Amino acid sequence: AQSVTQPDIHITVSEGASLELRCNYSYGATPYLFWYVQSPGQGLQLLLKYFSGDTLVQGIKGFEAEFKRSQSSFNLRKPSVHWSDAAEYFCATTTNFGNEKLTFGTGTRLTIIP
Amino acid sequence: EAQVTQNPRYLITVTGKKLTVTCSQNMNHEYMSWYRQDPGLGLRQIYYSMNVEVTDKGDVPEGYKVSRKEKRNFPLILESPSPNQTSLYFCASSPDPGEYYDGYTFGSGTRLTVV
Repeated sequence: AQSVTQPDIHITVSEGASLELRCNYSYGATPYLFWYVQSPGQGLQLLLKYFSGDTLVQGIKGFEAEFKRSQSSFNLRKPSVHWSDAAEYFCATTTNFGNEKLTFGTGTRLTIIP
Repeated sequence: EAQVTQNPRYLITVTGKKLTVTCSQNMNHEYMSWYRQDPGLGLRQIYYSMNVEVTDKGDVPEGYKVSRKEKRNFPLILESPSPNQTSLYFCASSPDPGEYYDGYTFGSGTRLTVV
């Protein structure tokens, strides 16, 4: 079965600094990969997705992610974070469009310091 | 506005008292799903539905029931809640996958406490 691992439980970044959140997937074929953001007290919002094609994908709010098959990774990046980026970030994957099951990582909580 | 609406947002109940969390979507989506979110565990799928009258178990279905009698609604039923079902619950919906598949649209969540 497919799975995703987010090795960082909590990351603290200074406002204006760059950000990289790690995600590793486990699946033999090319999975479908997503990054979601959850602001405090809110539901999950899709930041970006990768299905195929260009391995560098652009998302909303200035985020991007790069799919690297050789490393089984789909890391999320942002060149300069804003205080409003403080949230929890989830990587997710699905490989079976038959049941529409998204398998989520355990999440990375991002704290922004002034 | 396209959205998934869950009610209630917050619920405190006692062990064994049946409850229903409602979920409704206005996007005519075929797929709907329930997840629970627990610290350190991420989101885990409880049940999903591919269309009206078609439902199946996810990863953690024990203690839950669902029904899909109408396309827009997908209620989650806890017939005899227990404290280990204290969690944050999310309903989500998605269209048939295709070129423009964007995964699920999530509701705002229901925080359930069972005492």
